Amino acid sequence: QVQLHLSGPGLVKPSQTLSLTCAISGDSVSSHSSAWSWIRQSPSRGLEWLGRTYYRSKWYYEYAVSVKSRIAINPDTSKDQFSLQLESVTPEDTAVYYCARWDHDRSFVDYWGQGIQVTVSS
Amino acid sequence: QSVLTQPPSASGTPGQKVTISCSGTNSNIGKNYVSWYQQVPGTAPKVLIYTNNQRPSGVPDRFSGSKSGTSASLAISGLQSEDEADYYCASWHDSLNAQVAFGGGTKLTVL
Repeated sequence: QVQLHLSGPGLVKPSQTLSLTCAISGDSVSSHSSAWSWIRQSPSRGLEWLGRTYYRSKWYYEYAVSVKSRIAINPDTSKDQFSLQLESVTPEDTAVYYCARWDHDRSFVDYWGQGIQVTVSS
Repeated sequence: QSVLTQPPSASGTPGQKVTISCSGTNSNIGKNYVSWYQQVPGTAPKVLIYTNNQRPSGVPDRFSGSKSGTSASLAISGLQSEDEADYYCASWHDSLNAQVAFGGGTKLTVL
């Protein structure tokens, strides 16, 4: 059974960097059939896919157009986890953030982390 | 505004059949798989349907999915009070910057 455990601060100041980590159990961040994703949800924007990373002989990174200039998703193979860094945040980035496993071949999210409310406020 | 279009609300009485639509384009639903998720407020979404019409183990067969052209549908038969939740469709969206597209969600009320 795959489990994803999300950790990070619930409050970030405007213009700072939002950093979250997702620890994987029951699978590997280097899995050849999975992609590791970040998704957020807010009342104004609904569910919004932010990006993903996956390993297929080399690491791939794909990001949503809306955040491409200020996002980084990085795998940590030593700890089987992956992280999200979102720079220059504004109150518009306030949302519940989820980490998730994307089944690459069948194109769907099969496992979700528990979600964390992140508020951008001074 | 979401890339995939869903009705904001739907309703039905216990035992009825309800259908939720999801409309896209040839860049997403028209050429890629569709998945459906159920979300009870305060919890993470849970997959109901993947690859257009497949149910994960543990999902009742009251839930079914279909796809035709650039649209997809989720049908819930034998509606139960516990089905009251938000429902989202999703599909890969091919473009210069390919990404996952979600629908705006449909709030299902069991009357």
